[in-house]
This record gives sequence, structure tokens and C-alpha cells, in this order.
Amino acid sequence: QVQLQESGPGLVKPSETLSLTCSVSGGSMDHYYWGWVRQPPGERLEWIGYIHSSGSTKYNPSLKSGVTISVDTSKNQFSLKLYSVTAADTAVYFCARLPGGNFGDIWGQGTKVTVFS
Amino acid sequence: DIQMTQSPSTLSASVGDRVTITCRASQSINSWLAWYQQKPGKAPKLLIYKASTLESGVPLRFSGSGSGTEFTLTINSLQPDDFATYYCQRYKDYLWTFGQGTKVEIK
Repeated sequence: QVQLQESGPGLVKPSETLSLTCSVSGGSMDHYYWGWVRQPPGERLEWIGYIHSSGSTKYNPSLKSGVTISVDTSKNQFSLKLYSVTAADTAVYFCARLPGGNFGDIWGQGTKVTVFS
Repeated sequence: DIQMTQSPSTLSASVGDRVTITCRASQSINSWLAWYQQKPGKAPKLLIYKASTLESGVPLRFSGSGSGTEFTLTINSLQPDDFATYYCQRYKDYLWTFGQGTKVEIK
């Protein structure tokens, strides 16, 4: 069955770029949307954005920091870059498979990222 | 921007109880709504999509209803494994918003 696993640094300094990768195993990335969701400590889930296997993207317009999501289907991976981070970007970051871009049916276990100097 | 509001924020219940959680959208989202269960330190688990379609493998005691701006998640005969936080999520117009969550705790 399809499994997702996030990876990346757990600590990022303010104003730097947060970079995470989600590795997909057990299935093809083709014809699916793949996305990122985060959860600040004690808060609700927040959608960051998603990408189709073809490369088309959609981002949360309320995110103040710039964001880029990219996909490399040859490596079965997709990635998140969040620019100029602040303490408000401290959260657990989840990657997920999104049928039709609508909801997440398979999720990674999440990775905690802390922004601090 | 469409806002999603859940009620109650916390719900105390006993094993065997019937539990209902409400999610309201600030404007109509037709049936573009999903429900998730999340346990501490874990990823969300999809329960229901398109307001009332049960995800494969989810127990039949979970059900969803509603359309437009008001939706409900019902758990019939609450089981020990069901104590968790539940989130609604709208996905109309290719944009997502989550509710603030409802924590179901042991009475």
C-alpha cells in the first residue's frame, strides 16, 4: 500500500528557507495530487498547498511567507519550500495524497519543524 | 474567505454513547466537506468525504450528513478507540479550510 514519509531539518533559523521532502512508496505518483498541511502547537490544521503529478500547483493565499511545492515523479518525491520563515511557521508538517486535490486519504506521520535562533 | 466553525470544542461522552459534532461554513460549500479523526502525535485519518461518503475501512458507526452550510458527524455507540479530536475540512473551489477541531474525551 502507498506510504508517505516526510524528511528535512527539525530546526530552521528565522528568515531562512524551510525545506521538506515527502517520499512516496508502494505506488505511483501519476495522476494524483500531493499536498502539505501543517499544525502549529495546539492549533488547528492549516493547508499549505498541493501539486499535481503533472506539475500544476495551488497554494494557500493566506500564507504570508512565499511557498513553492515541486514534484519529481522519477524519484517518487515531492517537496516544500517555505521562504523567510518566522516563529509562526513552527509546526508539525504533514504530507498527504489528495484524490482530485480535495482531501487527504493517505498521510505521512508528520515532521516537527521549529523556527528559532 | 470561507470560515469553518465546529461545535462543541470539547465533548465529554461515555463508551456506548451517540455523539454528534456540528460544522458550519460561513457560506455554502455544497457537499464539499471531509471529516478527519486525529489522535495525539498522529496524522489525521480520513473518515468521510463529500459530506456523507464513508472512506473505505472506516467503521459503520461513523456517519456524516448535511449540505450547504451545516454538516454533522455522528458516531453511534462510541468505542474506546474513538476518543480523539475531529476536524472538518472544506475543499470547494480548490481551496481548503479546516475547522478548529472537536475533542471527544472520556466522561
